[in-house]
Amino acid sequence: NAGVTQTPKFRVLKTGQSMTLLCAQDMNHEYMYWYRQDPGMGLRLIHYSVGEGTTAKGEVPDGYNVSRLKKQNFLLGLESAAPSQTSVYFCASTRRAGTAKLFFGSGTQLSVL
Amino acid sequence: AQKVTQAQTEISVVEKEDVTLDCVYETRDTTYYLFWYKQPPSGELVFLIRRNSFDEQNEISGRYSWNFQKSTSSFNFTITASQVVDSAVYFCALSEEGYSTLTFGKGTMLLVSP
Repeated sequence: NAGVTQTPKFRVLKTGQSMTLLCAQDMNHEYMYWYRQDPGMGLRLIHYSVGEGTTAKGEVPDGYNVSRLKKQNFLLGLESAAPSQTSVYFCASTRRAGTAKLFFGSGTQLSVL
Repeated sequence: AQKVTQAQTEISVVEKEDVTLDCVYETRDTTYYLFWYKQPPSGELVFLIRRNSFDEQNEISGRYSWNFQKSTSSFNFTITASQVVDSAVYFCALSEEGYSTLTFGKGTMLLVSP
């Protein structure tokens, strides 16, 4: 049982480059989330999805786009990376929003030079 | 609006000491859920406990215990006889009924030295 899988685990980008982070879950969860973690800031929600084909903005959505074309996958895109997007990104999923625990991926460490 | 405050940024203790991590929350809802997650140095986030707003009973699990007090809007976490393996960042989180998202506190880094 893989749970939540994030790829890649590490990435270095140059300013202005684009990339996509992939999150895949095999638990048939409806709800999926992208967070970023920065020192002293805790976990901040970027975007989330309440089901296949849906997306919604979180606390810090600027500079990111997401897509949920398949229930098991939630993609996070950076169209033009900026140094301020250097962070650790976590994907999470849950079967029932708000009341059930989140299952997290192992994280993606992204550096934008 | 929901808010979670973990005022302790970093706590350092020596092994076998007891330590309490504070969590204060704000919500206008009467139905809500509180969580604690652990992030060890390896980086993964691990669920520890969930408590709903109607259940104020304290919970004990081995060396871990949680004290939920609605009167003070607090959900504190105590580790008894701490061990080096308890070294981690601990996050408190809140969700409200009907909302799809969780609000996390900024975390408390616990360092347990031998």
